[in-house]
Amino acid sequence: KNEVEQSPQNLTAQEGEFITINCSYSVGISALHWLQQHPGGGIVSLFMLSSGKKKHGRLIATINIQEKHSSLHITASHPRDSAVYICAGRAQKLVFGQGTRLTINP
Amino acid sequence: DGGITQSPKYLFRKEGQNVTLSCEQNLNHDAMYWYRQDPGQGLRLIYYSQIVNDFQKGDIAEGYSVSREKKESFPLTVTSAQKNPTAFYLCASSTGGQGGYEQYFGPGTRLTVT
Repeated sequence: KNEVEQSPQNLTAQEGEFITINCSYSVGISALHWLQQHPGGGIVSLFMLSSGKKKHGRLIATINIQEKHSSLHITASHPRDSAVYICAGRAQKLVFGQGTRLTINP
Repeated sequence: DGGITQSPKYLFRKEGQNVTLSCEQNLNHDAMYWYRQDPGQGLRLIYYSQIVNDFQKGDIAEGYSVSREKKESFPLTVTSAQKNPTAFYLCASSTGGQGGYEQYFGPGTRLTVT
């Protein structure tokens, strides 16, 4: 069965801290999507990656195929980064993790 | 401005009533999806459609129905047979079907049934 597990479920940090959210996945998943869900509920796709590393602004996503593990990093975190971050594994369909609720305090 | 629209944002219904959630996209995407989100759980696939006039059940299709008469539109009907209809419903679309393509999400509809 394809599975995606995220950790932590909740994360609270101070503005400026370096943030890491982890995602482990099972055999059969060939790539990972990282999504951001805003407090209002809308979802935005951040990254789609099957190997290596991608960077967009202060966001960095990495994936290790051998270890079946991906991380999302946020540098110089800001309160506007507060959201739920979701990883989704690409199998025959998308398999979603439960999400990580990130709160950045000023 | 291309995107996906869902309406309404909030919907309230009495138990026993069917309700239809709207999803429209102007991205010219072939595939469309309906997901349900409950607190503490990942998104779960209700139905998907890879092409007009064709759709497939997802993991939790019971109590739901869909139609895909136009490429742009993929309405979801929550029937009275759905035992726990109160949830946040998200529609998405992609250029191709299923997990191999980036999915674009709508803003969601929060349905409350009392």
